[in-house]
Amino acid sequence: AQSVTQLGSHVSVSEGALVLLRCNYSSSVPPYLFWYVQYPNQGLQLLLKYTTGATLVKGINGFEAEFKKSETSFHLTKPSAHMSDAAEYFCAVTNSGGYQKVTFGTGTKLQVIP
Amino acid sequence: DTGVSQDPRHKITKRGQNVTFRCDPISEHNRLYWYRQTLGQGPEFLTYFQNEAQLEKSRLLSDRFSAERPKGSFSTLEIQRTEQGDSAMYLCASSSLVSSSSDTQYFGPGTRLTVL
Repeated sequence: AQSVTQLGSHVSVSEGALVLLRCNYSSSVPPYLFWYVQYPNQGLQLLLKYTTGATLVKGINGFEAEFKKSETSFHLTKPSAHMSDAAEYFCAVTNSGGYQKVTFGTGTKLQVIP
Repeated sequence: DTGVSQDPRHKITKRGQNVTFRCDPISEHNRLYWYRQTLGQGPEFLTYFQNEAQLEKSRLLSDRFSAERPKGSFSTLEIQRTEQGDSAMYLCASSSLVSSSSDTQYFGPGTRLTVL
């Protein structure tokens, strides 16, 4: 069984400020973890993923996330928010076996204030 | 590589009508997935195909829902006798069975269904 909890359904930051979106997961086997971004009325775009190896992963648009097994976390960060980052962000988990059924969190809407 | 495409992008229908959605995966992707996303929620898994075989169906997929992938390429999702509770975004995703990115699902733009 696997699950994802995203803390904070809405996060507001000022333009240029640090972005921190929190994600905790639960998985009975070693997880694969993903962050996706969704703009209004669009599908999901992959930001970054962790499968194995280096625990700090870098993605597109300046985002990065760190896999912390001891904390079962995979928080998403960006040093400096840009107006174009305003969107909804989904953390997701799957496992390394089988066909990788993906379980998503409920999402965090990021608002960037000018 | 043109990405995953879905058609139509929007569908408005009256309760009780049947609707069908189409998904074209990335070419040569063996795996295809359907998800449903309701307002304020993350996508929820509906069903999965490997080539033409439907290997898993979620309990969310009631008897009114049927999905096919007859030739292992495009897929259709049909909803019969639609209900207002079926209003949602229906997302399709695909992934490759054999590639360096076999762990990654690529999503289409979705079909937004509104049942009046």
